Amino acid sequence: DTGVSQDPRHKITKRGQNVTFRCDPISEHNRLYWYRQTLGQGPEFLTYFQNEAQLEKSRLLSDRFSAERPKGSFSTLEIQRTEQGDSAMYLCASSLRLAGGPDNIQYFGAGTRLSVL
Amino acid sequence: QQQVKQSPQSLIVQKGGIPIINCAYENTAFDYFPWYQQFPGKGPALLIAIRPDVSEKKEGRFTISFNKSAKQFSLHIMDSQPGDSATYFCAARDGYSTLTFGKGTMLLVSP
Repeated sequence: DTGVSQDPRHKITKRGQNVTFRCDPISEHNRLYWYRQTLGQGPEFLTYFQNEAQLEKSRLLSDRFSAERPKGSFSTLEIQRTEQGDSAMYLCASSLRLAGGPDNIQYFGAGTRLSVL
Repeated sequence: QQQVKQSPQSLIVQKGGIPIINCAYENTAFDYFPWYQQFPGKGPALLIAIRPDVSEKKEGRFTISFNKSAKQFSLHIMDSQPGDSATYFCAARDGYSTLTFGKGTMLLVSP
């Protein structure tokens, strides 16, 4: 399978614990996005990377959230001191942006469902 | 502020019917309008997309109609099938920025 891969698929944690999710994009894609999706809502943008550079962060991304893409390949999203309001599906997407052109199609992974008890 | 408004929230049609899902946007800088289909437990998958220089685009049974002056666009599914039952999201993007999604429409196609 050469699509976007996310791990784990499900995570249950207690309030106050830290959690980390991983995303492996499509191999030739230089852009990687994180979105959050709650029940009955569309995905909401959190942050994105072009190669290893984090280019944009949403105001939804509080100080407890941090994302990295150290070598421009896979990415991790960490949530510190989780709160019940963090319960959601965390989606990763990747795309290929060619120089001087707009972003191409974003391909999504299946997501990591986080439940904070 | 919700930049992409989607309706209806849910929709039930019989097999063979033509469900229509509507979206309206406010940001005139949006220049790319995709529709995504999402099945339970899966991530969204691109279905079809349009740019504002055309008024209609067809791919198989799926058609996007686009009205730039009204800042509205819609998805039509011809000859709908039970396998089309899913949640559909419209989205919009302004050039180099990220996607802004609507809240989604849950479609049920009854046999």
